[in-house]
Amino acid sequence: ETGVTQTPRHLVMGMTNKKSLKCEQHLGHNAMYWYKQSAKKPLELMFVYNFKEQTENNSVPSRFSPECPNSSHLFLHLHTLQPEDSALYLCASSHRAGEDTEAFFGQGTRLTVV
Amino acid sequence: GQNIDQPTEMTATEGAIVQINCTYQTSGFNGLFWYQQHAGEAPTFLSYNVLDGLEEKGRFSSFLSRSKGYSYLLLKELQMKDSASYLCAVRDSNYQLIWGAGTKLIIKP
Repeated sequence: ETGVTQTPRHLVMGMTNKKSLKCEQHLGHNAMYWYKQSAKKPLELMFVYNFKEQTENNSVPSRFSPECPNSSHLFLHLHTLQPEDSALYLCASSHRAGEDTEAFFGQGTRLTVV
Repeated sequence: GQNIDQPTEMTATEGAIVQINCTYQTSGFNGLFWYQQHAGEAPTFLSYNVLDGLEEKGRFSSFLSRSKGYSYLLLKELQMKDSASYLCAVRDSNYQLIWGAGTKLIIKP
């Protein structure tokens, strides 16, 4: 248990579906992140929120839409995804973005797009 | 471009020692992290190096040479539970984390 909780753990969705991934952290951190992890590839940073403000959007397609209502919660809204979007989606948090502190990760949502 | 290289897979024997190497080329350097990730689980923080030298934490040690763009993670007295992927990540001049693809470590009895 790292203090970062992601739901659901597994998700299968069709290309026309709309779904949301949820992340919650109980560590009092101010920065939250979405990463995509594909097999045998480096972690890809998707979005960064620092004090609820989005500070990074690494050229992520608009079919992925993040939402950060407060410093403890982060969502990733998904719509009209493609099969190549199937991957493990990891949420992480840290004390503050841009500092020398480690990030704490959730266990991820294994997403399969069919 | 920015790049982190680490071996894809390594095999070692229970009770032995293994060294996992990581080389990096990044725009600036603000620290290097090692994470452990068991299959289906969250990556968990192992170590952080920002100055040259060796940092020891129990059975795990991490070494950094900034002039060589090189780090290694040393695992001693290997246990079966050490079977996992080990991720190397470097924080660049913009404080962005650049990740390697991970090294899958297989421990055999």
